[in-house]
Amino acid sequence: DQQVKQNSPSLSVQEGRISILNCDYTNSMFDYFLWYKKYPAEGPTFLISISSIKDKNEDGRFTVFLNKSAKHLSLHIVPSQPGDSAVYFCAASDPRNTPLVFGKGTRLSVIA
Amino acid sequence: NAGVMQNPRHLVRRRGQEARLRCSPMKGHSHVYWYRQLPEEGLKFMVYLQKENIIDESGMPKERFSAEFPKEGPSILRIQQVVRGDSAAYFCASSRARDRGDTQYFGPGTRLTVL
Repeated sequence: DQQVKQNSPSLSVQEGRISILNCDYTNSMFDYFLWYKKYPAEGPTFLISISSIKDKNEDGRFTVFLNKSAKHLSLHIVPSQPGDSAVYFCAASDPRNTPLVFGKGTRLSVIA
Repeated sequence: NAGVMQNPRHLVRRRGQEARLRCSPMKGHSHVYWYRQLPEEGLKFMVYLQKENIIDESGMPKERFSAEFPKEGPSILRIQQVVRGDSAAYFCASSRARDRGDTQYFGPGTRLTVL
């Protein structure tokens, strides 16, 4: 049973436009969410996180939005750059600090 | 400051052989996590260790898999009598503490292929 779902396996965006990556979760106990970026043949790299006490967290070009009632979060990248082309993983944890649960990832391609 | 190191990067084993994957955490990190990524899947937690202790092994298969993080040296993930289904990328991550605000930093992974 997938507790963290990334329903879009891939996404293509033009350089300079906004990239929106979506993530849904089913476990209402989750209260801390993270996004990781992964390039081929490398390990995931932490991008940004958000706690459930917030509905938005921003870091430069990256913003994560959390909609607790819909159990949905999204990562916005503005403006998108070719170097953003990678696989993006959404992850979640609960207050018991149980292990991170990852989605399957969305492959973002930013086209110049 | 070196990041998380994993070796080997690629490992080929025949069915029935043993695979040993090594992970050296970042300097100053005493918490190590192992994850497995099957093709077209996300990362699945396997085990969480602190020095000399297994804290959470809820994601480890009950048989053939074991992990350790000795006082000296790297963390080792050991898979005995490998089968084709063990073919995957195995990632190690480390953190300074277990607090959720402490980022897990990942190594480059070991790609295990079982023939």
